[in-house]
Amino acid sequence: DIQMTQSPSSLSASVGDRVTITCRASQSISNYLNWYQQKPGKAPKLLIYAASSLQSGVPSRFSGSGSGTDFTLTISSLQPEDFATYYCQESYNTKWTFGQGTKVEIK
Amino acid sequence: EVQLVESGGVVVQPGGSLRLSCAASGFTFDDYAMHWVRQAPGKGLEWVSLITWDGGSTYYADSVKGRFTISRDNSKNSLYLQMNSLRAEDTALYYCAKDIVDSYSCFQHWGQGTLVTVSS
Repeated sequence: DIQMTQSPSSLSASVGDRVTITCRASQSISNYLNWYQQKPGKAPKLLIYAASSLQSGVPSRFSGSGSGTDFTLTISSLQPEDFATYYCQESYNTKWTFGQGTKVEIK
Repeated sequence: EVQLVESGGVVVQPGGSLRLSCAASGFTFDDYAMHWVRQAPGKGLEWVSLITWDGGSTYYADSVKGRFTISRDNSKNSLYLQMNSLRAEDTALYYCAKDIVDSYSCFQHWGQGTLVTVSS
């Protein structure tokens, strides 16, 4: 089975900071990688699919990159509403495995 | 607007059974595959099951294979998850999620979830 590892597990940042979250797959998954945002008590929300495609309605400060085994979610200028937990997820095979999550907290 | 509304979550004893439902609206239900995804309290996300648009194919996580059954009724715009032989580790918030397009798969839209608690 494919394992998805995110780093860091948590980070503290300030409004306006550039934030980067990394996701590594245990084998090549081409560009079959998605990113979700989850706020406390809420359902997850799709941000990025197919590694770099921005879901409709998602602010352009969110971007994704990578292919193969290494992927990145970048928030270009962190906003107050971006403090949340972020998950990567692979769609390469029929297991749809998630990373363990990265919690972005206010510094 | 896409809406997914889950129901059926309750407290159930270990070994018991439960059927979750998800009512869909705001899109052509029978055009899309549908998923169940769960989240144990304070934990991360775990994919549970997928059913294709026509119900012709189903997939399950190893942790639920042989105990859970996913189904759909396209005439009622509804998705279901039959859960048997429930264990304490099945305790979670269960989300239904709509897939994105036929040529790619991810969880484009989510319901608000229904809580299943397995406890004696």
